[in-house]
Amino acid sequence: GAVVSQHPSWVICKSGTSVKIECRSLDFQATTMFWYRQFPKQSLMLMATSNEGSKATYEQGVEKDKFLINHASLTLSTLTVTSAHPEDSSFYICSATVPGSRNTIYFGEGSWLTVV
Amino acid sequence: GQSLEQPSEVTAVEGAIVQINCTYQTSGFYGLSWYQQHDGGAPTFLSYNALDGLEETGRFSSFLSRSDSYGYLLLQELQMKDSASYFCAVRDESNFGNEKLTFGTGTRLTIIP
Repeated sequence: GAVVSQHPSWVICKSGTSVKIECRSLDFQATTMFWYRQFPKQSLMLMATSNEGSKATYEQGVEKDKFLINHASLTLSTLTVTSAHPEDSSFYICSATVPGSRNTIYFGEGSWLTVV
Repeated sequence: GQSLEQPSEVTAVEGAIVQINCTYQTSGFYGLSWYQQHDGGAPTFLSYNALDGLEETGRFSSFLSRSDSYGYLLLQELQMKDSASYFCAVRDESNFGNEKLTFGTGTRLTIIP
């Protein structure tokens, strides 16, 4: 079964509003999670590293004030897209590593965001 | 910076064998992974090479040559369900250990009857 779960799978929001995406590790604790974005027919691009109990680390070119990341517990990281615009429409995916799994990285199911 | 190149599209016949190549340029390297992604879905882990050589997992095998900064994924006994996008990905130590992935450009594999 899934070891990393995302919610929602699909979301449509109006321009200017904010939307929150959750990433949960199931049955294990993840001190670090990663958020990726993927536009249609393109590769996955790392947006930020989510660190439990501390600030997220953002990749170059990713606006930290627009993509708010909170990792308040060892099993939950959230990505909030603030003041969403149509160009933010994308597939957002999180990942986490299961401890003791030979560093196997598992991905969530992904969340499709459409901004209208 | 990190750069991973793959062929954009490959077509192969059902039952045949196909190889998807990946060349990389990275500032740090802790292994090459391969992921499969069907349309609309999340990536699924296929294989990981930390050392040179061939790793075999069922119908899928992956090869790595660190001296050549090159790897490939080999799919045998191709099935229609293997039609998907395949990504190589490099782990590096840029941030918080070796869990961070930089993905290749992706290869769209189409299997034909």
